[in-house]
Amino acid sequence: QKEVEQDPGPLSVPEGAIVSLNCTYSNSAFQYFMWYRQYSRKGPELLMYTYSSGNKEDGRFTAQVDKSSKYISLFIRDSQPSDSATYLCAMGGLYAGGTSYGKLTFGQGTILTVHP
Amino acid sequence: GAVVSQHPSWVICKSGTSVKIECRSLDFQATTMFWYRQFPKQSLMLMATSNEGSKATYEQGVEKDKFLINHASLTLSTLTVTSAHPEDSSFYICSAREGGFPSGANVLTFGAGSRLTVL
Repeated sequence: QKEVEQDPGPLSVPEGAIVSLNCTYSNSAFQYFMWYRQYSRKGPELLMYTYSSGNKEDGRFTAQVDKSSKYISLFIRDSQPSDSATYLCAMGGLYAGGTSYGKLTFGQGTILTVHP
Repeated sequence: GAVVSQHPSWVICKSGTSVKIECRSLDFQATTMFWYRQFPKQSLMLMATSNEGSKATYEQGVEKDKFLINHASLTLSTLTVTSAHPEDSSFYICSAREGGFPSGANVLTFGAGSRLTVL
């Protein structure tokens, strides 16, 4: 079993739709959770960062974390064609400091297409 | 926000040659940078952790002699693919820890990536 599972899609929705992207994980040591957006042939860019269970909203984006169920979601409201990209969930554990930072574990990525 | 610059963005080389990819943190110091590899329609695979002033830490299955990493300063890490072969063709992405997050949290800023094609 992979540490992080993400439905690769592809997901195709009409403009204006609400998009729901999800990841499940198995490692209880994961303490913080991120969503990255990656356009074709580009590096990932950070969309959302959350640390605690609950919801975090930023514009059209809402990140949701349920640590008890080991489940995270990203919701995109009023989706736009410019939202078409691959969305990667990522997560990691907290470390006390020093130079030995822990690594991020990524989901497989979900390919999203929003058509006009 | 933090910016990570990666160069070159695209490189084509002949089999057997070596290719160097640079990763720079433009407005912050990064004692640790990470190198990832990504195949088409797949997620990022961590190759190694680059530590300023010390040896890189490689993930299991990554050949140290094939993928040389040098982190000579707080703003520059380089990845050299030595004696490249067609199977090394991939998208290589570097990243550095972005400040402003809880200590120890690996919230990363990524470079734009370098696409390597080995003929």
